[in-house]
Amino acid sequence: GDSVTQTEGLVTVTEGLPVKLNCTYQTTYLTIAFFWYVQYLNEAPQVLLRSSTDNKRTEHQGFHATLHKSSSSFHLQKSSAQLSDSALYYCALSMPNYNVLYFGSGTKLTVEP
Amino acid sequence: EAAVTQSPRNKVAVTGGKVTLSCNQTNNHNNMYWYRQDTGHGLRLIHYSYGAGSTEKGDIPDGYKASRPSQENFSLILELATPSQTSVYFCASGEGLGGHEQYFGPGTRLTVL
Repeated sequence: GDSVTQTEGLVTVTEGLPVKLNCTYQTTYLTIAFFWYVQYLNEAPQVLLRSSTDNKRTEHQGFHATLHKSSSSFHLQKSSAQLSDSALYYCALSMPNYNVLYFGSGTKLTVEP
Repeated sequence: EAAVTQSPRNKVAVTGGKVTLSCNQTNNHNNMYWYRQDTGHGLRLIHYSYGAGSTEKGDIPDGYKASRPSQENFSLILELATPSQTSVYFCASGEGLGGHEQYFGPGTRLTVL
């Protein structure tokens, strides 16, 4: 079946260093859309990035991700982590003709001074 | 401003009691969703709706009912609450078919004693 995998439950990084959160997926659909949601402490999840184009880099708030259908991945990266980036990050998959999102289990990012 | 609101924000219930969680959206979206969030499981879909009068089962519907009396309102009902239903519940709204993001409410923290 269709699924999204986030392998790291917890990621800790030092402020100013790069960070990468992994997301892979499994689906039989060729046309898909991907989202990264971010959830700050005691807040609601909100969209950080969206992409549906293969091999095209998408950027927002210093984060970037590229959908790679050849490797079934949509990893989230940032070149220099900030303390304010500490949050819970979800990867989510959307298929055509469906109204639901398939969420990964989430990665908690902690940025330390 | 378009928004998704939830009530109550916090609820303590007793085992075997009935609990109703309410959600209201002013986004004029056709689709609404109920998720629960638990550490290690991420966001899991309980029920969703395509419009007034419709409800569909998500991934974990057992023990929950849903009601969509109008475009704006979507309720989640726990007829016989159990301690395993202690969680944070999020409502979301979204429009159209695949590829569209969902907008989340602030969440309801439910504790079943």
